[in-house]
Amino acid sequence: NAGVTQTPKFRVLKTGQSMTLLCAQDMNHEYMYWYRQDPGMGLRLIHYSVGEGTTAKGEVPDGYNVSRLKKQNFLLGLESAAPSQTSVYFCASGRQSGNYEQYFGPGTRLTVT
Amino acid sequence: LAKTTQPISMDSYEGQEVNITCSHNNIATNDYITWYQQFPSQGPRFIIQGYKTKVTNEVASLFIPADRKSSTLSLPRVSLSDTAVYYCLVGASMFSGGYNKLIFGAGTRLAVHP
Repeated sequence: NAGVTQTPKFRVLKTGQSMTLLCAQDMNHEYMYWYRQDPGMGLRLIHYSVGEGTTAKGEVPDGYNVSRLKKQNFLLGLESAAPSQTSVYFCASGRQSGNYEQYFGPGTRLTVT
Repeated sequence: LAKTTQPISMDSYEGQEVNITCSHNNIATNDYITWYQQFPSQGPRFIIQGYKTKVTNEVASLFIPADRKSSTLSLPRVSLSDTAVYYCLVGASMFSGGYNKLIFGAGTRLAVHP
């Protein structure tokens, strides 16, 4: 049981390049989330999904797109990377019912130059 | 969503009990109080959740007074490995509809010294 995994762990992009971050969970969770964390700050929600085939905007969605084609995977895309998107990205998953607990992945450190 | 206020940083020593208080004056009736822990270069980890009075698990205790406008996370006999950032979050549970709306503040940086 790997929990929540993220690929890649590190990435350096040039301004204008695109990339996709992959999140996978093996806990059969309905809900999945993408957050970003800037130095010294808390996490901010980018997008989330309440089930396969559905996505919704969070607190800071601009510049990002997501897809949830399979229940276990949640992809975060950057179409045209900007230096302001330099951050650590965390994926999380959670059950549809029960308590408030979200399970987080190890993070992806992205630098845009 | 209720805003939370907690100390920016705290210092303690090994073996001591640490209490971190969070203020949430505008907490709504159906809001739960949840605490997460984050180590450097890792994702946050759920510690404890409560609605009222006291909740205890193998890691911590959570004290919530009757008016629910604040809460206190208590870590018994901390060790060096408890050095981390602790986040207090207030929000509705799944049963209120929609996703788990977690709003993270800057958290409290706890440093445990030998």
